[in-house]
Amino acid sequence: QVQLQQWGAGLLKPSETLSLTCGVYGGSFSGYRWTWIRQPPGKGLEWIGEINHSGGTNYNPSLKNRVTMSVDTSREQFSLELASVTAADTAVYYCTRADWNSRLRQSWFDPWGQGTQVTVSS
Amino acid sequence: DIQMTQSPSSLSASVGDRVTITCRASQNIGSYVNWYQQKPGKVPKLLIYAASNVHSGVSSRFRGSGSGTDFILTIDSLQPEDFATYYCQHSYLSPYTFGQGTHLEIK
Repeated sequence: QVQLQQWGAGLLKPSETLSLTCGVYGGSFSGYRWTWIRQPPGKGLEWIGEINHSGGTNYNPSLKNRVTMSVDTSREQFSLELASVTAADTAVYYCTRADWNSRLRQSWFDPWGQGTQVTVSS
Repeated sequence: DIQMTQSPSSLSASVGDRVTITCRASQNIGSYVNWYQQKPGKVPKLLIYAASNVHSGVSSRFRGSGSGTDFILTIDSLQPEDFATYYCQHSYLSPYTFGQGTHLEIK
């Protein structure tokens, strides 16, 4: 059963770049859209964007100017960079897999990484 | 962007109750809705996919229904472990937005 494990810096200063990586273990890496979602403290979930195994990306327009996602297929890892962070970027960041069902032609997020608390503070 | 609006935002219920949570999409999205459960400090967990399909390992007390713009999550015979926050999410087209969440608490 596939598991996702994520890591990265948890404390940043304003204007720095957030950098997180998610490793995929125990399952196929190709054929899925690897996704980042975040959750500010006490708030709901926000989709940041996705990347496929070939490096094709799709970002949330609200963050598009600051987001870069990359993939390392040899290590079965994918990464998120968010530039010029502010306090508004303080959140728990999750990596997850958009699990595609070819019969239903729909996708959903499962499984999820354990989450990384990222705090932006001067 | 497609907006997903959940109601109620919070709900008090007792063990054994049946509860329903509603999610309304800002446009017709067919059956492109998923439901997640999140407990405090924990990772969201997939419950229902494609509006009405119960995810593997999820109790049959959870049911999803609806299509178009209106969707319902029903939880039959509430158990203590069901008290959590529930989110709907559409997968119709990006950006894939979530509802604001429904906090289900013990009465």
